[in-house]
Amino acid sequence: AQSVSQHNHHVILSEAASLELGCNYSYGGTVNLFWYVQYPGQHLQLLLKYFSGDPLVKGIKGFEAEFIKSKFSFNLRKPSVQWSDTAEYFCAAIRTSYGKLTFGQGTILTVHP
Amino acid sequence: GAVVSQHPSWVICKSGTSVKIECRSLDFQATTMFWYRQFPKQSLMLMATSNEGSKATYEQGVEKDKFLINHASLTLSTLTVTSAHPEDSSFYICSASGTGIMNTEAFFGQGTRLTVV
Repeated sequence: AQSVSQHNHHVILSEAASLELGCNYSYGGTVNLFWYVQYPGQHLQLLLKYFSGDPLVKGIKGFEAEFIKSKFSFNLRKPSVQWSDTAEYFCAAIRTSYGKLTFGQGTILTVHP
Repeated sequence: GAVVSQHPSWVICKSGTSVKIECRSLDFQATTMFWYRQFPKQSLMLMATSNEGSKATYEQGVEKDKFLINHASLTLSTLTVTSAHPEDSSFYICSASGTGIMNTEAFFGQGTRLTVV
């Protein structure tokens, strides 16, 4: 079955630390990949997306993600986190031939000031 | 980005009653709408996919007679939780996608917190 897997359920960091959240997908063929963020009390917002081209994708708020096809991975990174990055992060994938978005389990990021 | 509005944001209802949740695309035509359910500390679980003018396609394990989905227009889909019970208490989220470039991304509503007492 098609699935998206996030490795960490809860990550706790201090401000200025570097962040990497893992995401793997099990789709074959062409996929579009996304990272969404859900701040406390707010709805899901798109951080970045990968459709094709440069596998290193830059998103909003200093986030980036790298698509590694051979590893079926799309890890999210940020060189220096801030307290305001505290949120839940969801990786998601969609088959380009079928508009069904599948989410990973989510990773809660807590950043201590 | 495109705007999807969900209403209400939260609702409390008595066990046995029905609740309707609306999902509207405000600035694009949503040919496809998705309804998700999110349990605490868990990911979003897709409940059903609806295409405008067609019957919704439900995911395995989702009762179509309990969760009625209507997608009668290109800007509105509704989810009705019929004869709600406390175990239906959850966070329900809709998303919408359109045609062309709007088909490559889903835009999310703000979610509806349903509490059944």
